[in-house]
Amino acid sequence: KAGVTQTPRYLIKTRGQQVTLSCSPISGHRSVSWYQQTPGQGLQFLFEYFSETQRNKGNFPGRFSGRQFSNSRSEMNVSTLELGDSALYLCASSLSDTPGYGYTFGSGTRLTVV
Amino acid sequence: QQQVKQSPQSLIVQKGGIPIINCAYENTAFDYFPWYQQFPGKGPALLIAIRPDVSEKKEGRFTISFNKSAKQFSLHIMDSQPGDSATYFCAARYSRDDKIIFGKGTRLHILP
Repeated sequence: KAGVTQTPRYLIKTRGQQVTLSCSPISGHRSVSWYQQTPGQGLQFLFEYFSETQRNKGNFPGRFSGRQFSNSRSEMNVSTLELGDSALYLCASSLSDTPGYGYTFGSGTRLTVV
Repeated sequence: QQQVKQSPQSLIVQKGGIPIINCAYENTAFDYFPWYQQFPGKGPALLIAIRPDVSEKKEGRFTISFNKSAKQFSLHIMDSQPGDSATYFCAARYSRDDKIIFGKGTRLHILP
């Protein structure tokens, strides 16, 4: 059974650019959540999608956005990149219809902003 | 307070020892408490989880102890092995907004 696939694994961008990260959940999982992981702040919740609808949102600026497609694949976009956006971005999918249960994480996309 | 405080930040234990990682919370609206294990270069993996109406749960060598009155829960790893060396995160689900709040993590090193 394939796990959660995140692409690309590594990304280097310049300040001011925008970036799109992709997440393919486990087959049958309709919930996809995104987290930012940094050494200082740990794991911070970005947003959660379920059946193409944003069901929950964390405390990040509007530069961070996401969407989910009909096949449950999800993308997140960060516009006008700042140095502080350098982080590991993790996607997690879940079989549960109830938010927050049974996350399976991907290996993440390591974003470096220079 | 929607926080989960985790300690210690790092822990070194001899092989076969029982590392214990502790977490504490203040808000009683948390309703689900998972633990995650993360190896370098990988995402966190769900290890074991508990609900507040249960005081202890075991899965293999991993045990969660839960003290509802003290608002504390802990992870014990029995017969620890060098392969258990990883970062461990406790977490809690806040029932009022369904968000999972993570602790800051404990870097565990098991000496061979």
